[in-house]
Amino acid sequence: DGGITQSPKYLFRKEGQNVTLSCEQNLNHDAMYWYRQDPGQGLRLIYYSQIVNDFQKGDIAEGYSVSREKKESFPLTVTSAQKNPTAFYLCASSPGRGYTDTQYFGPGTRLTVL
Amino acid sequence: GDSVTQMEGPVTLSEEAFLTINCTYTATGYPSLFWYVQYPGEGLQLLLKATKADDKGSNKGFEATYRKETTSFHLEKGSVQVSDSAVYFCALSSTGANSKLTFGKGITLSVRP
Repeated sequence: DGGITQSPKYLFRKEGQNVTLSCEQNLNHDAMYWYRQDPGQGLRLIYYSQIVNDFQKGDIAEGYSVSREKKESFPLTVTSAQKNPTAFYLCASSPGRGYTDTQYFGPGTRLTVL
Repeated sequence: GDSVTQMEGPVTLSEEAFLTINCTYTATGYPSLFWYVQYPGEGLQLLLKATKADDKGSNKGFEATYRKETTSFHLEKGSVQVSDSAVYFCALSSTGANSKLTFGKGITLSVRP
């Protein structure tokens, strides 16, 4: 089955720790995205990548980092510099960079900082 | 910059009622417009989309028409079911080399049997 997988589904972190969220896709899509979802605020873009070894900051990149070493993988690291990291994180991919392209979403990772 | 405004929620309807969820947008050029649905505890799924003015997107009984004159993309369904209970997001993607989705805040729909 083609799709996007995110792991883990639930993640708990102590304050001051970095944590990495996994995102893998086997759709052969060029572009990948990370969003953060908070109650009542919709989705906000953290980072996106339109090609391997290249990525751009989204609207709320502070305290986060990413890498895109392989086409199918786009891990997100939540660093200790992120002031309020507790949220639901969604990864997405799209076939290309076009504005008509549909983004396909993974099931999400819920991060809780203890 | 780009923005999407959705009507305030939550919305509660009885089964077989008519549904309208309003969505208006601000964008430069001619964006593509999307409706996504999120079921409890899951990621988002594309419900429908329209890529140019006057296009109608449709899926699973839901419809939305891209109205450039009113900058709107309202979602409608003639008869909702309990299984339609979810959060609905309106989104746009602008033209440009680095296009990305801008989402509305989402609205929760609950359908009672």
